[in-house]
Amino acid sequence: QEQLVASGGGLVKPGGSVRLSCGASGLSLSGSYMSWIRQAPGKGLEWVSYISSSGSTKIYADSVKGRLTVSRDNAMNSLYLQIDSLRAEDTAVYYCAVSYSSGWFDHWGQGTLVTVSS
Amino acid sequence: QSALTQPRSVSGSPGQSVTISCTGTSSDVGNWNYVSWYQQYPGKAPKLLIYVVDKRPSGVPDRFSGSKSGNTASLTISGLQADDEADYYCCSYAGSYTFVLFGGGTKLTVL
Repeated sequence: QEQLVASGGGLVKPGGSVRLSCGASGLSLSGSYMSWIRQAPGKGLEWVSYISSSGSTKIYADSVKGRLTVSRDNAMNSLYLQIDSLRAEDTAVYYCAVSYSSGWFDHWGQGTLVTVSS
Repeated sequence: QSALTQPRSVSGSPGQSVTISCTGTSSDVGNWNYVSWYQQYPGKAPKLLIYVVDKRPSGVPDRFSGSKSGNTASLTISGLQADDEADYYCCSYAGSYTFVLFGGGTKLTVL
């Protein structure tokens, strides 16, 4: 069964950092473009980051630019998202998803919740 | 850029059809044939329903259909079923800098 599993979320203090991971089973990520999409509690979906299959192209939403770093390790079949200088408004479920260069997403992970609070 | 505009809620009775609109601009919906739609149940990850305006992934019933005219895309669900009650999101490619924009989501209630 093809499955993405996001992990690494939790309670983090404002100004802190968190590193999210996304692993895959039954699915090779090495040839896939990937994205991170977040959803604040009770709110809609917000795309935040995209990385090409080789990792050479990275795109970030303006709302998070400068604080997020997306990376991948194709040998480990994994995707990562580092979020620095966390703010209360970063509180959200973060989903990883297989992404297409023309902007649609299939094979979503189950999401990992990041809560920013003192 | 602003999110795409969707109605906050729509409703219909079992067996009826409903249409959810998604309005963007000439920089996103109107400029690219890369509109996708997602279904999300509470506490679950979204699921791809439609991509490239009107294409369905395998396994998605043909009761779900997509279309686009100008800056507005639409998702039509025919033969409504109780299980269709969920949140629906549209998404459009918006160029290599912005990448994509999502709509604010529409809650579908099956009466």
